[in-house]
Amino acid sequence: DAGVTQSPTHLIKTRGQHVTLRCSPISGHKSVSWYQQVLGQGPQFIFQYYEKEERGRGNFPDRFSARQFPNYSSELNVNALLLGDSALYLCASSLGSGAGTEAFFGQGTRLTVV
Amino acid sequence: AQKVTQAQTEISVVEKEDVTLDCVYETRDTTYYLFWYKQPPSGELVFLIRRNSFDEQNEISGRYSWNFQKSTSSFNFTITASQVVDSAVYFCALTLYNQGGKLIFGQGTELSVKP
Repeated sequence: DAGVTQSPTHLIKTRGQHVTLRCSPISGHKSVSWYQQVLGQGPQFIFQYYEKEERGRGNFPDRFSARQFPNYSSELNVNALLLGDSALYLCASSLGSGAGTEAFFGQGTRLTVV
Repeated sequence: AQKVTQAQTEISVVEKEDVTLDCVYETRDTTYYLFWYKQPPSGELVFLIRRNSFDEQNEISGRYSWNFQKSTSSFNFTITASQVVDSAVYFCALTLYNQGGKLIFGQGTELSVKP
C-alpha cells in the first residue's frame, strides 16, 4: 500500500515568489495535516483538514493557506516567500481528526528560498 | 500553554549500550496523548508509540521501552542494546484532547550509535 506521498521532494524559490506543495494521503484517510520543520527544530503545526474543512490552524501568517480536495489530497500554498520559510514541509494523514489518532507522515518537501 | 522539552540535543553511544531519551511535557489539561516519533535521514517521521494520559503503564516493545510518569510530567524512551540502525532524530510530542490532531513536538534528540 502506498504511504503518504508529497511532491515535489525538493524546491528552490526566490524571495517574493509563491509556492504550492502537494500531498496525497494514505487511501482511506480523510484527515491531512501540514507541519513546518526548520533545520534543527521539531515540526510546527500549520493546518489540519478533515473532510475538506479546516479543523485547526497553527500560529502562521496569512501568507500560508491550504485546502483539501474531494479525493482528500491537499495543497499547501505559501505566498510572498521569505528566507525564513526555508524548511522541510511535512504532510501527515490519519483516519480521523481526533486527538490520539495515529498520524502517518510523508517524506516531506524541502523548500529553499534564496 | 503546552510545551514539550527534550533537553538532550545530541547523544552518542557505542553499539550495544542502553540509552534513555528524556521528554518532559507541560499542560494543564487532564486529557492528552503523548507520542514518540523517529526521524531517519530520509525525513519522514515514523510513529513509535502513543500513550493517553489515563494510562501510566509502562510499555515494552522489543528493545524499546517507555516510562510514563504523570507525577513528573515525563515520558522517557529507552533503547536497550542499541544498534547502528537506531541512529536518527527522535521526537516526543503532545496532543490535547480538544485540539484534534495538532501535535506539539519537542526539539528532538539526535541519537548517534557508533559501531
